[in-house]
Amino acid sequence: EAGVAQSPRYKIIEKRQSVAFWCNPISGHATLYWYQQILGQGPKLLIQFQNNGVVDDSQLPKDRFSAERLKGVDSTLKIQPAKLEDSAVYLCASSLEGIPDSPLHFGNGTRLTVT
Amino acid sequence: GDSVTQMEGPVTLSEEACLTINCTYTATGYPSLFWYVQYPGEGLQLLLKATKADDKGSNKGFEATYRKETTSFHLEKGSVQVSDSAVYFCALSPYTGTASKLTFGTGTRLQVTL
Repeated sequence: EAGVAQSPRYKIIEKRQSVAFWCNPISGHATLYWYQQILGQGPKLLIQFQNNGVVDDSQLPKDRFSAERLKGVDSTLKIQPAKLEDSAVYLCASSLEGIPDSPLHFGNGTRLTVT
Repeated sequence: GDSVTQMEGPVTLSEEACLTINCTYTATGYPSLFWYVQYPGEGLQLLLKATKADDKGSNKGFEATYRKETTSFHLEKGSVQVSDSAVYFCALSPYTGTASKLTFGTGTRLQVTL
């Protein structure tokens, strides 16, 4: 099966600019996650979707970050305006809904550098 | 809140050496525990998991046992190969039997040399 697709792979922007990342989960996976991985740290959950509804966005900095999941499939994560501390790899993951022990499948991530 | 602490790397071993990567956790209730691996240039992938106390997860020669009394989930392998070189992440989910809302450790880089 095709894996989780993310684009772009790399992005370099200046602070205060805006940026958007795209994720296409594995077909049929109802649950979608966005994680932020700062260099030297483990991934941190930003937001979890179930179909096109938000399940958990408690760690999403909502003053500058936003995310949506169109028609319960693809998702976009946006940062506006970006800060230097947003430099990180942004990971998208998906899993099946309602299946106990269903593993997370991660994409290769988008590496963001804010200068 | 929930947290995961794992030993810092990098860990450098010769091929066929024994590996232990320590992981301890703090959580309420009955979390599920995971080890994820990230090979160079690839995305994170599940290596093994355990969903209740005393469960042993295993895969590709790696093992980890869910020890509730010591709140630990140490990763072990009896004989590492060069192909095991990667970054290993310990993680927990606060929910039994699912991978929702994962909290990750900081990762341990393993380098295996000939």
